[in-house]
Amino acid sequence: EAQVTQNPRYLITVTGKKLTVTCSQNMNHEYMSWYRQDPGLGLRQIYYSMNVEVTDKGDVPEGYKVSRKEKRNFPLILESPSPNQTSLYFCASSYGRVVTYNEQFFGPGTRLTVL
Amino acid sequence: QQPVQSPQAVILREGEDAVINCSSSKALYSVHWYRQKHGEAPVFLMILLKGGEQKGHEKISASFNEKKQQSSLYLTASQLSYSGTYFCGTVDIRDNYGQNFVFGPGTRLSVLP
Repeated sequence: EAQVTQNPRYLITVTGKKLTVTCSQNMNHEYMSWYRQDPGLGLRQIYYSMNVEVTDKGDVPEGYKVSRKEKRNFPLILESPSPNQTSLYFCASSYGRVVTYNEQFFGPGTRLTVL
Repeated sequence: QQPVQSPQAVILREGEDAVINCSSSKALYSVHWYRQKHGEAPVFLMILLKGGEQKGHEKISASFNEKKQQSSLYLTASQLSYSGTYFCGTVDIRDNYGQNFVFGPGTRLSVLP
């Protein structure tokens, strides 16, 4: 089944404790992206990747890191989480490098709480 | 810059119609529409491209006015299953290269029996 998977689905952590949220897709998509969703603010892009080893900042990259060493995986790293990073996170992927013309497939989401 | 959506929320009875609007201050190469049900991930509805091409959901219609940088989503004869939050989105092409995707704030649609 074609899908985007994220792990973990739920995470409660404490300020400053490094964490990684994994994202994997099995559709051979080149474009991958991370979004955070907060009430009243909609979906905001954190980082995106147009291909292996090619990543770029979205609208809210501060406090996050990403890497794209393999085509199928795009982990999101919070080196020193803070309470303002409490949010619902979605990973998405899209065919081709140019998302302008292609739909995005979303993972199920990861609900992160930072205490 | 985030697209603007209107209305923020709308309540319908089954069978009624609704229009959701999306506009941008920047030139648009395409407009994407997604629907998100409570507690779920966004799901693709359609893409409208410059030149009139459309890709997506057969039962949903939309328009794209490139000159006005606006798009509208038309939901006709609404069903209970249409309830959810609708997002438009577009690509903010920076320096003629980037693919930063920006969503609008969303329109919450509630369809009542």
